[in-house]
Formats: sequence, C-alpha cells, structure tokens
Amino acid sequence: DTGVSQDPRHKITKRGQNVTFRCDPISEHNRLYWYRQTLGQGPEFLTYFQNEAQLEKSRLLSDRFSAERPKGSFSTLEIQRTEQGDSAMYLCASSTTGGGTDTQYFGPGTRLTVL
Amino acid sequence: QQQVKQSPQSLIVQKGGISIINCAYENTAFDYFPWYQQFPGKGPALLIAIRPDVSEKKEGRFTISFNKSAKQFSLHIMDSQPGDSATYFCAAPVYSNYQLIWGAGTKLIIKP
Repeated sequence: DTGVSQDPRHKITKRGQNVTFRCDPISEHNRLYWYRQTLGQGPEFLTYFQNEAQLEKSRLLSDRFSAERPKGSFSTLEIQRTEQGDSAMYLCASSTTGGGTDTQYFGPGTRLTVL
Repeated sequence: QQQVKQSPQSLIVQKGGISIINCAYENTAFDYFPWYQQFPGKGPALLIAIRPDVSEKKEGRFTISFNKSAKQFSLHIMDSQPGDSATYFCAAPVYSNYQLIWGAGTKLIIKP
C-alpha cells in the first residue's frame, strides 16, 4: 500500500496525559499537513511541512500541540496535557511540490478520545 | 468566523437525479478550489478541483461551476448513484495556497 498511513488508528487517553501520533506520507511527497476534524465539521488546518521545515501553523493552534518531521519523511504530532476538547479525528495529508496548490492525499486518521 | 460557507447541510436525492452543493468564500488571494468526498471512517479524498481561470470544469458525472465575482463555487453530480452517498466538503485557500479552510460538509444520501 503506497498511501498515507497513520498510527495508531484509535487512541483513548485520560485528561492530562500526553499523546503522540505518527504519519507516514506517500514516499515521494515532500509536503505534509496535519488537520483536526470533529464530528459534523470539515477538517481544520493545524500545520504544514515542506521537507523537514515547518512552514505554517494555524494561528488557532494551542502551544500544547507540537509537530515534527525530523528527516523530511514521517511526522509526529504530540499533544501535551490533553483536554476533553482535544477529542477529534487527527488527519494527516501529503502532497508533492508543484506549481500553486497541489492535491493533498489524506490518511485514514487517528481518532483520539480524551476521558 | 466562518470563512467558507457550505450548503445545504444535508441532501437527499433520488437515484439518477442531480445533486447540487454550494460553497461561498469570503476572501482569498489564491487560486485553487477543491471538492473532497469522505466516506465514514475514511480520510477525505479529492473529487475534483478548479482554478478560477475557468468558470466550469467537468470530470465524468462531476462538474464544478465557479463564479469569481460572487465568490461562489458549486458541485453538480449528474445521474447520482447510491455509491455517491457520502459527505462532501468544499475548501478554499484563504491564507495561503497550503492552508485550506474547509466548509462544514454536506451529507448526501442517494435513494435507490
């Protein structure tokens, strides 16, 4: 399978705990995006990498959220001191460099439940 | 604030009918307007996208109509099929070409 993969698919945690999610993009894709999606809503942009550089972050993104892409391949998203409001589907997408906006291919998501 | 407004929230169409979903955006300096399709438990998948140098783009049964002056674009699904039942999202690059802002989604049900 050469699509975007995410791990784990489901995560249940208690409020106050830290969680980390992993995303493996399509192998030749140099751009990687993280989104959050709550039930009945569209995805909300969190952050974007080109290779290992984090180029954009949502102005709404809490400082409890941090993302890395150390070697320009896989990425991790960490949420510190989780809150019940963090419960959502966390989606990763990747794309290749091209002129203008390119097609973002999404993974299946990680569903986070904070108790 | 809602920068991308999508309507209707839900839509029921008979098999073979035309499904129409609308999207309006407030401002963008960028030039790419996609529609995504999402099935339950799956990530969104690109359905069709348009750049505003054209007013319409057609791919198979799917057509995007774009009205730049009105800041609106719509998705038309011709000959709708039960397999088209899904949630559809429009998106617009409001702040940058890479920071897509998404509509709230339209849940489409095609009745056989």
